[in-house]
Amino acid sequence: QKEVEQNSGPLSVPEGAIASLNCTYSDRGSQSFFWYRQYSGKSPELIMFIYSNGDKEDGRFTAQLNKASQYVSLLIRDSQPSDSATYLCAVNTWNAGNMLTFGGGTRLMVKP
Amino acid sequence: DGGITQSPKYLFRKEGQNVTLSCEQNLNHDAMYWYRQDPGQGLRLIYYSQIVNDFQKGDIAEGYSVSREKKESFPLTVTSAQKNPTAFYLCASSMKQGTEAFFGQGTRLTVV
Repeated sequence: QKEVEQNSGPLSVPEGAIASLNCTYSDRGSQSFFWYRQYSGKSPELIMFIYSNGDKEDGRFTAQLNKASQYVSLLIRDSQPSDSATYLCAVNTWNAGNMLTFGGGTRLMVKP
Repeated sequence: DGGITQSPKYLFRKEGQNVTLSCEQNLNHDAMYWYRQDPGQGLRLIYYSQIVNDFQKGDIAEGYSVSREKKESFPLTVTSAQKNPTAFYLCASSMKQGTEAFFGQGTRLTVV
């Protein structure tokens, strides 16, 4: 079982719609959860992090965490073509030395 | 400007040759990491370091070596023992292990 799993996509949404990206993790002891955006050929950039159950909003982005279900998601409201990228979920994994473990990423395509 | 600098951006290696990728940070971060990314794949951890003069192997350390003689620097050597080194190499740092990591711009290594 992979420690952090994401649907590879591509997830295609029309411009202006809400994009919902999902991530599940296996280590129940995980405390910190991160979302990164990676444009093709570029390095990942941090979008958001969340530590507590519930929602955390930052502009058009909302991270949602449910530790009981071992599930973290990223919602992008009013999606723009410039949001087209691969989104990586990262989780700190206590049973692997408190390292950040990355999912394989979900490719998002926002169509004009 | 604070940040993480990787060099070179592109690197070409001949068969049987060792090459060293540079990573420097001025964020005063304790932890530094090297990841490898293959096309369409997620990030795989090569080596990490929590403190000067200490480092540990990640999931795919074979054929690679590192040093951490200074807090700011964490160079990666790709040795001739690495049979398939063509990939995108990403260096990252974080305040402490398990906290949010920030990435350099990456080095694209190609075997010729």
